[in-house]
Amino acid sequence: DAMVIQNPRYQVTQFGKPVTLSCSQTLNHNVMYWYQQKSSQAPKLLFHYYDKDFNNEADTPDNFQSRRPNTSFCFLDIRSPGLGDAAMYLCATSRKTGTGNEKLFFGSGTQLSVL
Amino acid sequence: GQNIDQPTEMTATEGAIVQINCTYQTSGFNGLFWYQQHAGEAPTFLSYNVLDGLEEKGRFSSFLSRSKGYSYLLLKELQMKDSASYLCAVRGGDYQLIWGAGTKLIIKP
Repeated sequence: DAMVIQNPRYQVTQFGKPVTLSCSQTLNHNVMYWYQQKSSQAPKLLFHYYDKDFNNEADTPDNFQSRRPNTSFCFLDIRSPGLGDAAMYLCATSRKTGTGNEKLFFGSGTQLSVL
Repeated sequence: GQNIDQPTEMTATEGAIVQINCTYQTSGFNGLFWYQQHAGEAPTFLSYNVLDGLEEKGRFSSFLSRSKGYSYLLLKELQMKDSASYLCAVRGGDYQLIWGAGTKLIIKP
């Protein structure tokens, strides 16, 4: 089945220790997104790629970086995690249609804990 | 600013019907989505409305009134597995998705 896969499902890191979260997709979608979601809050878009074009949200901290080496893979790098970065990180994909009904397909998420 | 409002939490009984409301204020409108999110899991797509009216899909229906900036998700014949958060998201005039914080639905036997 075509899908969006995130690894790992749970990640524990230490305060200030760099961590990388990964996402892969077999849907061949041209847009990939990284969202941060804290408990009982709306998902917050960090950045997205349209093909290789990188789009950073204005309020995404510099501590967060991303790489998309090819269509299938996307990585989220947190350079120096703080306690406030503990959250669920959701990867999503879509096929850009230029119309409003472009729906997002999500991976199972990575729950990040910072000790 | 752009804003989406949903009730924080609702409780309903197994077998009953529940309506989850969503009101929005956005710069432009290109459709409204409902997603279901079980605790600790990723959101999954439920419905998309871009024209006024009711869209029915099995036990779930979604309604949209663009003039009122209002939508609801109607869940019939509630099952315990419907316990989840329901997220309303609007695609605004710039095609960006604006998400609500979600409504946590608790189903009681």
